[in-house]
Amino acid sequence: DADVTQTPRNRITKTGKRIMLECSQTKGHDRMYWYRQDPGLGLRLIYYSFDVKDINKGEISDGYSVSRQAQAKFSLSLESAIPNQTALYFCATSESTSGSYNEQFFGPGTRLTVL
Amino acid sequence: GENVEQHPSTLSVQEGDSAVIKCTYSDSASNYFPWYKQELGKRPQLIIDIRSNVGEKKDQRIAVTLNKTAKHFSLHITETQPEDSAVYFCAASRVNSGYALNFGKGTSLLVTP
Repeated sequence: DADVTQTPRNRITKTGKRIMLECSQTKGHDRMYWYRQDPGLGLRLIYYSFDVKDINKGEISDGYSVSRQAQAKFSLSLESAIPNQTALYFCATSESTSGSYNEQFFGPGTRLTVL
Repeated sequence: GENVEQHPSTLSVQEGDSAVIKCTYSDSASNYFPWYKQELGKRPQLIIDIRSNVGEKKDQRIAVTLNKTAKHFSLHITETQPEDSAVYFCAASRVNSGYALNFGKGTSLLVTP
């Protein structure tokens, strides 16, 4: 969906480096998510945020941190990258309707390689 | 936490045949079950979803069934076409988990002409 963008789309970095992945959306959605995809493992939730002041850990948050700079921006950081963080990273957004589920819209993904 | 198991991991069918993908979940409090399709090199996209107060939902050639007692749900694709070839993911979620999705590991569907 063109309304959810991720930068960079591809990144190669070295072990120990700090790296930031950025997600922006123009959908006006309150909820934003970061997932990681590994071959054969599906998508796993790293962090999610309901609004600028509400950030929550997901299933695999160790080694990652996030920042919700504005409603439209949600960044994922790897403070000291390690090779097993090599993966495809997706940002997703959804509307916020109390007590209701709404479709999650995914960004195009960032392919990260840690050497 | 929620554990979603998905089977089979790969599925090959001939064009025109039906395809069925099955998922089980562990958390009885889960009450939202979406299915996503991911084409090669692209992002996942929602194709159908079902809420726990419904047993079946259909959208043209795609249907999803839910058995809450057994804690399993299935995706049915009829009259398959080559463009149905993709990886399909099931997921489960509940309100007090923050609406976050717990995904199965995916099924790679190949439809051969």
